[in-house]
Amino acid sequence: GIQVEQSPPDLILQEGANSTLRCNFSDSVNNLQWFHQNPWGQLINLFYIPSGTKQNGRLSATTVATERYSLLYISSSQTTDSGVYFCAVEKYNTDKLIFGTGTRLQVFP
Amino acid sequence: DTAVSQTPKYLVTQMGNDKSIKCEQNLGHDTMYWYKQDSKKFLKIMFSYNNKELIINETVPNRFSPKSPDKAHLNLHINSLELGDSAVYFCASSQRDTQYFGPGTRLTVL
Repeated sequence: GIQVEQSPPDLILQEGANSTLRCNFSDSVNNLQWFHQNPWGQLINLFYIPSGTKQNGRLSATTVATERYSLLYISSSQTTDSGVYFCAVEKYNTDKLIFGTGTRLQVFP
Repeated sequence: DTAVSQTPKYLVTQMGNDKSIKCEQNLGHDTMYWYKQDSKKFLKIMFSYNNKELIINETVPNRFSPKSPDKAHLNLHINSLELGDSAVYFCASSQRDTQYFGPGTRLTVL
């Protein structure tokens, strides 16, 4: 099956710092989503981004489908950004999302 | 105004018992899912339903039986609970692309 690897596994930042999270996947996909799981366990969809670049406030994401990776940028991080960030992909015609192992982000004041 | 809701939020039970988790979405989506998140935070799809029909069953033990009475509801019944079933179970829904998750049900089997 398709492999989804995220790096780094853990990231510790001070408030105000910027960061880049990476997601590599092993096969062509027609769906890629980024999620944030907050410390209370809620999973929030951040981006649907099978290709190209999107921005939403301090967050932006870029997927280079031909090279099988996606990046999530967090600028001017805040303590509320803490949690686990997941990348999830769907291989063509499978109708199921495969999640990566996540990047755990801790932002300290 | 909750988009995807699950009940209960917490479930503590003894080995061997049978329990159910309910999920409802008010987004009008056709597709609903059940995921399991283990203690290491790994998320894995269990089932997918499209308009009340099962389309994905990811080699889940047959002690787990999903039921979709209508396209807004997808319930999960678990028979003969085992210690290894302890996890957080998430329901989700989608309309083709973006998936929206419920708050999760933390199941603890003693």
